[in-house]
Amino acid sequence: NAGVTQTPKFQVLKTGQSMTLQCAQDMNHNSMYWYRQDPGMGLRLIYYSASEGTTDKGEVPNGYNVSRLNKREFSLRLESAAPSQTSVYFCASNHPLAGGVDSTDTQYFGPGTRLTVL
Amino acid sequence: GDSVTQMEGPVTLSEEAFLTINCTYTATGYPSLFWYVQYPGEGLQLLLKATKADDKGSNKGFEATYRKETTSFHLEKGSVQVSDSAVYFCALSERGYSTLTFGKGTMLLVSP
Repeated sequence: NAGVTQTPKFQVLKTGQSMTLQCAQDMNHNSMYWYRQDPGMGLRLIYYSASEGTTDKGEVPNGYNVSRLNKREFSLRLESAAPSQTSVYFCASNHPLAGGVDSTDTQYFGPGTRLTVL
Repeated sequence: GDSVTQMEGPVTLSEEAFLTINCTYTATGYPSLFWYVQYPGEGLQLLLKATKADDKGSNKGFEATYRKETTSFHLEKGSVQVSDSAVYFCALSERGYSTLTFGKGTMLLVSP
């Protein structure tokens, strides 16, 4: 049981290049999330997918697109990378019950992708 | 909108000292509250949580009590170890919603 996995772990891009960050979970979770972590800013939500087939914008969606490929996989795409997108990107997943709160609403995080845009 | 405010770090302590990291929140509803920990070079892990007022979450010697009257969820540990050095994030999730709102994080450095 690997939990949440992310690839790649490190990436360096030039301004204007594109790339896709991959995320997969093997916990049969319904919901998946992409966050970025910047110094002094905490984690900010980019996009999330409450269930297979749905995606929604978070706090900082500009410059990103996402695809919920299936229940396991949720990818984040940078179409034209900018230096402001230099960050550490985390994927997370959970299995919340609609309208309820219990132990299943804990989010489980991947190890992160460190992206530098030159 | 929802927000979480944490004390700024770094917090530097000697081993076996008492730890408090303050966290206050603003929420429109009745949220669940979380503390996550991030060790160097790793992703975030849930440390503890509380889902209703007066609940106390605890794990690995850390505790936090959900105080609705003061909208706070302060993290405490009676005796820190060097291995507790990490960044600690307070977060909330509104009931009925799955997304988390995080504080900016507090770095803890514990020296021998």
